[in-house]
Amino acid sequence: DIQMTQSPSSLPASLGDRVTITCRASQDIGNYLRWFQQKPGKSPRLMIYGATNLAAGVPSRFSGSRSGSDYSLTISSLESEDMADYYCLQSKESPFTFGSGTKLEIK
Amino acid sequence: QVQLQQSGTELVKPASSVKISCTVSGYTFSSNYMHWIRQQPGNGLEWIGWIYPGNGNTKYNQKFDGKATLTADQSSSTAYMQLNSLTSEDSAVYFCAREAFAYWGQGTLVTVSS
Repeated sequence: DIQMTQSPSSLPASLGDRVTITCRASQDIGNYLRWFQQKPGKSPRLMIYGATNLAAGVPSRFSGSRSGSDYSLTISSLESEDMADYYCLQSKESPFTFGSGTKLEIK
Repeated sequence: QVQLQQSGTELVKPASSVKISCTVSGYTFSSNYMHWIRQQPGNGLEWIGWIYPGNGNTKYNQKFDGKATLTADQSSSTAYMQLNSLTSEDSAVYFCAREAFAYWGQGTLVTVSS
């Protein structure tokens, strides 16, 4: 199975900060990488697909990038509504696998 | 608009089975894969498998082979997941999600307890 190593597991940050979350794939997944935001008691929300494409309705402060087997989600200027858990997902190969998650919280 | 409506909370006994549903509207059910995902309490997300409602083809995460069975009823635009031989480890929220993961159900909480 493809392992997605996500870091950090917890990210304390202040409003207005630029923050980056990273997933490293254990094998080549091309651009078959999605990012999700999940708030307590809610379903995950698609933020980024194809590693770099912003999903519909997602604010432009979110962006996705790739460097080799490292995939990153960046929030350019943190807002209070961004406090949530974030997960990456590879869909290159079955079984699809999620990263272990990052809890983004107010410092 | 696209909607995925899941069945309600289930409280079930160990060793029993449960069947949860995901009824869709706003798109052609038969033409899109449906994924199922598990989230154990306080934990992350696990992909269980997908079903293609148009022909019933399925693909499972080997971890859930024998545990989960995915089916679909085109006449009611409903996808189902049956979970067998339940243990406390199966207590979780289960989500359905349409093909590209842009649309999700609200989740179904399954609690396994005697």
